Amino acid sequence: SAVISQKPSRDICQRGTSLTIQCQVDSQVTMMFWYRQQPGQSLTLIATANQGSEATYESGFVIDKFPISRPNLTFSTLTVSNMSPEDSSIYLCSVGPSSGVMNTQYFGPGTRLTVL
Amino acid sequence: GEDVEQSLFLSVREGDSSVINCTYTDSSSTYLYWYKQEPGAGLQLLTYIFSNMDMKQDQRLTVLLNKKDKHLSLRIADTQTGDSAIYFCAESSGGYQKVTFGTGTKLQVIP
Repeated sequence: SAVISQKPSRDICQRGTSLTIQCQVDSQVTMMFWYRQQPGQSLTLIATANQGSEATYESGFVIDKFPISRPNLTFSTLTVSNMSPEDSSIYLCSVGPSSGVMNTQYFGPGTRLTVL
Repeated sequence: GEDVEQSLFLSVREGDSSVINCTYTDSSSTYLYWYKQEPGAGLQLLTYIFSNMDMKQDQRLTVLLNKKDKHLSLRIADTQTGDSAIYFCAESSGGYQKVTFGTGTKLQVIP
């Protein structure tokens, strides 16, 4: 399985500012995903990031609010723009599919964001 | 759209078996997964099962799939305090289709 790291692990931000979260994988992967996990909730997919193409956003998420970069096969960033307290969540990146089971996703440790 | 439901909370005594249940609505689900999330951590893939299987056993973990009823369960034998976590059921139709996660079940193990 891939080893995934995220930076920062946590942050406290002021309303109206932006935060960029980095996701680094120890091997080349085709697909990377960004999820949001609001307090006490399940995971909601924000977007799928493939190298060399624009990210594909899920319903309710837009590029202006959550711009994503995928410059190569081992790295991606998610920016949370113009933050409000409602953006307080854990943001998780994942990678998949693996060479084993299709759609098996492996997750980073998450970035815990608090917006004041 | 797809929907995956789980009970929110389960409490068991150390040494007992735990059974976490999940129901899903997508009849085209091909892959079903169980993930574990410990406090302050990301999700860890525990096990998975293909839709053409009824059961899969992996050490203390047993996964049962009733495809007719769209019901998935995870049994943890000899539950330990280290098993305390949130367990997420997930499903996918395969290929590059997205994975849909359940609401998560918080397992509390009482020493």
